Amino acid sequence: EAGVTQFPSHSVIEKGQTVTLRCDPISGHDNLYWYRRVMGKEIKFLLHFVKESKQDESGMPNNRFLAERTGGTYSTLKVQPAELEDSGVYFCASSQVLAGGREQYFGPGTRLTVT
Amino acid sequence: DAKTTQPNSMESNEEEPVHLPCNHSTISGTDYIHWYRQLPSQGPEYVIHGLTSNVNNRMASLAIAEDRKSSTLILHRATLRDAAVYYCILRRQGAQKLVFGQGTRLTINP
Repeated sequence: EAGVTQFPSHSVIEKGQTVTLRCDPISGHDNLYWYRRVMGKEIKFLLHFVKESKQDESGMPNNRFLAERTGGTYSTLKVQPAELEDSGVYFCASSQVLAGGREQYFGPGTRLTVT
Repeated sequence: DAKTTQPNSMESNEEEPVHLPCNHSTISGTDYIHWYRQLPSQGPEYVIHGLTSNVNNRMASLAIAEDRKSSTLILHRATLRDAAVYYCILRRQGAQKLVFGQGTRLTINP
């Protein structure tokens, strides 16, 4: 079974440019999450999809970030325009829709560097 | 979200047991105790979770104190591959997001 995949693995862009990160969850997983770790900080939740619907956007830092999940499959996270403080590692995770506390499967992350 | 406290770092030797502590004195009755770990250059990886009773799986054991204010992740026989940052996370029943702290950086000596 293929795990969560993320593309690209690394992106270097200049301040003011736009970057789009992609996440392909495990097939059949309705829950999809985005997290990120910026320099020296803890991993922070950004948002949660159930299928194509955003369930929780409480962690999105500002309106420069836009997440979509077309058709409830893969998801994209666009940063426009990118700022220096957006540099960090962006993780995607997915899980099945089950009651109780169940595990999330994480991708390897996309390292974003804004110069 | 209830807070967890873990030591910043721990060190152990290969093939020896490792006990990773976590304090969560403000835990509520519906909080599950989750452990994830992050190997170098990888995303976090689920290890184990529990509510009240001790739990065992192929990766580790989770010992939960009777008052649930602390727990211990036990790696029975550490290998070099177990070197990682280990996160103890409380997750309320029904909640979806994970709230990561600083975790414990575990070093395994050959």
